[in-house]
Amino acid sequence: GQQLNQSPQSMFIQEGEDVSMNCTSSSIFNTWLWYKQDPGEGPVLLIALYKAGELTSNGRLTAQFGITRKDSFLNISASIPSDVGIYFCAGQIPRSGSARQLTFGSGTQLTVLP
Amino acid sequence: KAGVTQTPRYLIKTRGQQVTLSCSPISGHRSVSWYQQTPGQGLQFLFEYFSETQRNKGNFPGRFSGRQFSNSRSEMNVSTLELGDSALYLCASSLGLNEKLFFGSGTQLSVL
Repeated sequence: GQQLNQSPQSMFIQEGEDVSMNCTSSSIFNTWLWYKQDPGEGPVLLIALYKAGELTSNGRLTAQFGITRKDSFLNISASIPSDVGIYFCAGQIPRSGSARQLTFGSGTQLTVLP
Repeated sequence: KAGVTQTPRYLIKTRGQQVTLSCSPISGHRSVSWYQQTPGQGLQFLFEYFSETQRNKGNFPGRFSGRQFSNSRSEMNVSTLELGDSALYLCASSLGLNEKLFFGSGTQLSVL
């Protein structure tokens, strides 16, 4: 099955810095999704990307769908303490009969130091 | 609009027991998916239901089962619990198949 390589596994940054994380796959995806998970909560959808080359922003977050459809990156600008959490990428392809196949990356643990 | 609601939030069981977890999707959402999250394996897909029918299934043993009711609410059952079943079980709903997934807060299951 599909595997997603998400990097880095963890990051420690100073408040105000920009941060970048990415996901790569050996398979092509139709959709890339980025989620954030806080401790004790479920993942929250941040950005959804549907087209190769698409660049989408959500406030201080920017994500891109790679041209090859095998990768995606997420940038966070001017980080703040509430950005702390685990960020997951997910790649999706529809399966036959319209049932989705969604694969998650292993997550990037972000720590923002004051 | 209320989000995805999962009950209970925490559960402690012993090996060999069975457990049923409940999920109420966002109003109007007809698809419900279940995921298992563990530190070692990450987020693993269990199954997805749409219109009371299982549409997709992950690679889990038959001890893991689910169902969806006519009001789109869903339950997940795990029989003959094993220590390795300890995990956060997440439910996610979407308007339809291939629509954006919205997750609940999960049920933290501990098997002793």
